[in-house]
Amino acid sequence: GAVVSQHPSRVICKSGTSVKIECRSLDFQATTMFWYRQFPKQSLMLMATSNEGSKATYEQGVEKDKFLINHASLTLSTLTVTSAHPEDSSFYICSARYTSPLEAFFGQGTRLTVV
Amino acid sequence: AQSVAQPEDQVNVAEGNPLTVKCTYSVSGNPYLFWYVQYPNRGLQFLLKYITGDNLVKGSYGFEAEFNKSQTSFHLKKPSALVSDSALYFCAVRALTGNTGKLIFGQGTTLQVKP
Repeated sequence: GAVVSQHPSRVICKSGTSVKIECRSLDFQATTMFWYRQFPKQSLMLMATSNEGSKATYEQGVEKDKFLINHASLTLSTLTVTSAHPEDSSFYICSARYTSPLEAFFGQGTRLTVV
Repeated sequence: AQSVAQPEDQVNVAEGNPLTVKCTYSVSGNPYLFWYVQYPNRGLQFLLKYITGDNLVKGSYGFEAEFNKSQTSFHLKKPSALVSDSALYFCAVRALTGNTGKLIFGQGTTLQVKP
């Protein structure tokens, strides 16, 4: 299957700072990427859908100014958690899909801890 | 509204025994159905999908799933469980009509295979 690389896998930051997470499709062009958040032992919560070259579509209740998403190329999307607080600590996962609506491929996730 | 339900939080089986992880769905139109597996602190790995055709779908690592339209179910099965199958399993659905590419996930089922 296609490979999606997410970096970093783990990050610890101080409260008030910003953190950027990268999601790359390594062997295919991803017109659409998705960002999810997962709490311990819970399902994935879709945060936003990112289309290359256009603004991301955020799910209800997700603060777009806090979770900045950029999808500048067909192989890279970034999620920046701005002014992070301890409650932003979570596991963030990206996924990417081909142009046809088949299965999505997931990155390995990023464990964010805000102290 | 589209939804996916995994009625069991946890499934316990003995190694060598068959396993079933249940999933039911509710969508308008024909569904695309998926199963993913997640190991601790990792992203999701694709197991199998149902798009159309044969109701019995075979996937990775010896897993298979049966699509049942009348019961709106897509249960994951494996004839003989391995200890290494122990993980968190997610069922997901995407409708063909009005498709934005979003996946809707069930709440996840933890599979515990004991030696």
